[in-house]
Amino acid sequence: SYDLTQPLSVSVALGQTATISCGGKNIEKRNVHWIQQKSGQAPVLVLYKDVNRPSGIPERFSGSNSGNTALLTISRAEAGDEADYYCQVWDSSSYVVLGGGTKLTV
Amino acid sequence: QVQLVQSGSELKKPGASVTLSCKASGYSFISYTINWMRRAPGQGLEWMGWINTNDGKATYAQDFTGRFVFSLDTSVNTAYLEISSLKMEDTGIYYCARGLNPADYWGQGTLVTVSP
Repeated sequence: SYDLTQPLSVSVALGQTATISCGGKNIEKRNVHWIQQKSGQAPVLVLYKDVNRPSGIPERFSGSNSGNTALLTISRAEAGDEADYYCQVWDSSSYVVLGGGTKLTV
Repeated sequence: QVQLVQSGSELKKPGASVTLSCKASGYSFISYTINWMRRAPGQGLEWMGWINTNDGKATYAQDFTGRFVFSLDTSVNTAYLEISSLKMEDTGIYYCARGLNPADYWGQGTLVTVSP
């Protein structure tokens, strides 16, 4: 099976840049998607296929994927960005693979 | 606009069964799979599996075999999740989501509480 590793928590000061990592073997060969879940709300897709933002997602959200690590970067962090963030990939054996989630505190 | 609307909260006793629904609108229902995911208290999101809306074939994640059944009614663009022999550890919020790679639209979630 394929495993994804995320830090349990990341803290960022208001207005600064937050980076959340997602580690996996040769993850650069896979499309990585990022899901945001704010407290008490449904999950929302914030990035897909490494770098693409769905309609309505601010440009402050960006991504990269290289080697064994994919990154979600949130620039000019706002209080409203506080949420749990999950990375997700597709694996031919495990199908949908989710990271354990990272709690972002602003 | 794409919407997935899920049924309301459920309170059940251990051993009972429950069926949750997920009604889709704003797109061609049979063009996208429906995923089911769970968030248990204090835990992260877990992928439960998916159902192919074309042929009704369901695929279950390893931890969700046996007591969990996905089904469809394409005439009303609705997917269902039935959980039988409920256990207290089934307590959580269950989400449906459209698509697999990625899951791009999500329902609002259904809270299932299993308590004696």
